[in-house]
Amino acid sequence: DTGVSQNPRHKITKRGQNVTFRCDPISEHNRLYWYRQTLGQGPEFLTYFQNEAQLEKSRLLSDRFSAERPKGSFSTLEIQRTEQGDSAMYLCASSSTSQFTDTQYFGPGTRLTVL
Amino acid sequence: GEDVEQSLFLSVREGDSSVINCTYTDSSSTYLYWYKQEPGAGLQLLTYIFSNMDMKQDQRLTVLLNKKDKHLSLRIADTQTGDSAIYFCAERSNAGNMLTFGGGTRLMVKP
Repeated sequence: DTGVSQNPRHKITKRGQNVTFRCDPISEHNRLYWYRQTLGQGPEFLTYFQNEAQLEKSRLLSDRFSAERPKGSFSTLEIQRTEQGDSAMYLCASSSTSQFTDTQYFGPGTRLTVL
Repeated sequence: GEDVEQSLFLSVREGDSSVINCTYTDSSSTYLYWYKQEPGAGLQLLTYIFSNMDMKQDQRLTVLLNKKDKHLSLRIADTQTGDSAIYFCAERSNAGNMLTFGGGTRLMVKP
């Protein structure tokens, strides 16, 4: 069990560019979550997958954001036409429905800076 | 919608106990969690409590839940400088699997 991993750890981009982040969950975890954390705030839920299916999306997830989990393992989060307000830490978490508590374990995050 | 509130800051001396408080509004919460975040890092799960429990103890950590008042606390015994971090409480409701987080309490431990 190597934990949740996220890549890249840091991304600096110019406004208007597209960026993509990757999350690898704990192996055999069937649920995967994306959260966004801005400076000085707690994480806010964006979306989650159970296996390949995207089951819930927050209204925070604008049309410029898209997430996929094509084979039910790793996931990608893409932001198109980035804006300065997208600067934040993007956190991924995973959990397993076979565990009674279905507890979410977080990765180290990807810090995005939009110039 | 659900709301989770925490005080912003707590300062204690090394060796003292720390108590971090949290209030929430969602009466259908099933689990409540405490996570720790060090600078520039992700969230580390510390402990959790099921909503039908009053108390849970795990080594230096004690979680108390008052479901009637929707109040959760985390007590850290014998606080060490390595405990300095931001602590988040979070709740998970029956309505979905997402976590709703408080704004975090920054704990500073003075030697």
